[in-house]
Amino acid sequence: QQKVQQSPESLSVPEGGMASFNCTSSDRNFQYFWWYRQHSGEGPKALMSIFSDGDKKEGRFTAHLNKASLHVSLHIRDSQPSDSALYFCAASSSGTYQRFGTGTKLQVVP
Amino acid sequence: GGIITQTPKFLIGQEGQKLTLKCQQNFNHDTMYWYRQDSGKGLRLIYYSITENDLQKGDLSEGYDASREKKSSFSLTVTSAQKNEMAVFLCASSIDNNSDYTFGSGTRLLVI
Repeated sequence: QQKVQQSPESLSVPEGGMASFNCTSSDRNFQYFWWYRQHSGEGPKALMSIFSDGDKKEGRFTAHLNKASLHVSLHIRDSQPSDSALYFCAASSSGTYQRFGTGTKLQVVP
Repeated sequence: GGIITQTPKFLIGQEGQKLTLKCQQNFNHDTMYWYRQDSGKGLRLIYYSITENDLQKGDLSEGYDASREKKSSFSLTVTSAQKNEMAVFLCASSIDNNSDYTFGSGTRLLVI
């Protein structure tokens, strides 16, 4: 059973547009959430972590967490071709390892 | 800055063969992980280790062994490779479970 579900599976946005990713977990013990990005041929790299309800903004990236609904989202404004990658959501509870979703493939079209 | 290195980058094995993948990090991180990445299934944890000589099973440990010989290195053994198996094995390290993970670039496995 996949404890972390992501949607959509893939996404295409024009350069300069907004890309939005969704992640829902089925484990109410999850308290900590991350977004990772993986470019082709590389390992995933941590983009942002979010542990409290509400928004967290870092540059063009904004994450939003709602613990009551176990939902976390990521938004990328002014998307660039270099943002084209696989995006993973990960979640954990205190002291346990991170569980990853199946990923969303983003293509930014020039 | 530190680095996490996985060897080999590509591995072709035969059915039934025992195969070993290696991972080294110089971040001085306590915790290290092995994940398997299959297309459409995301990353699934095989083993992790919170310190030297420690081993903890993940969701996908059957068919694998692991060894944390020292703080900086963590190896994974496929005990009997399955034909047509194709996956990327990712090693990661972190200060602890609730910190960002730093991943290596992966070992791509093909079993013929």
